[in-house]
Amino acid sequence: NAGVMQNPRHLVRRRGQEARLRCSPMKGHSHVYWYRQLPEEGLKFMVYLQKENIIDESGMPKERFSAEFPKEGPSILRIQQVVRGDSAAYFCASSADRGQDGYTFGSGTRLTVV
Amino acid sequence: QKEVEQDPGPLSVPEGAIVSLNCTYSNSAFQYFMWYRQYSRKGPELLMYTYSSGNKEDGRFTAQVDKSSKYISLFIRDSQPSDSATYLCAMSKTGANNLFFGTGTRLTVIP
Repeated sequence: NAGVMQNPRHLVRRRGQEARLRCSPMKGHSHVYWYRQLPEEGLKFMVYLQKENIIDESGMPKERFSAEFPKEGPSILRIQQVVRGDSAAYFCASSADRGQDGYTFGSGTRLTVV
Repeated sequence: QKEVEQDPGPLSVPEGAIVSLNCTYSNSAFQYFMWYRQYSRKGPELLMYTYSSGNKEDGRFTAQVDKSSKYISLFIRDSQPSDSATYLCAMSKTGANNLFFGTGTRLTVIP
């Protein structure tokens, strides 16, 4: 019973390139959440998705960031034209239903923008 | 003011000690309270979950919520070196989709 799978584990991008982060939820989970963890800061909510729908993107930066969770395949967090300030650990989590009582996190993708 | 405040530590204790970790919060709408453990370079792992006020015990771990003081605690009894990690408090509101996290307290248990 695999947990939440994220890849790649580490991603290095030059300024201006695009970063694509992938997340496969736990089997049976249809709710996916993306969080960002900056150094010395707590996890910050970005977006909540169900299959083919963005439910809450109140934590997403208005520009350059987008997320999707297609009918088939993993959820994707996409960052266009990356800047140094995007360097962070990005965590995906999933739950079987609305996760207000906690959910299961993946091991994260560490993005470094050089 | 942050909605959730947590002392970042670091906190070092000898093996076998009782550890007390705490968070305060400002928003009275929070109803669900969680503690996560995060090992270095890993994702957070849910340790304890409590709804509203009260205590919850699971093995060596006890979670307490005092909503009147907006204060939550995690106690670890008979601490072990394997407990060395960063502990994150988190909370959510009824009907909400997202969790609000503290910054985490780094704990080291010295053999």
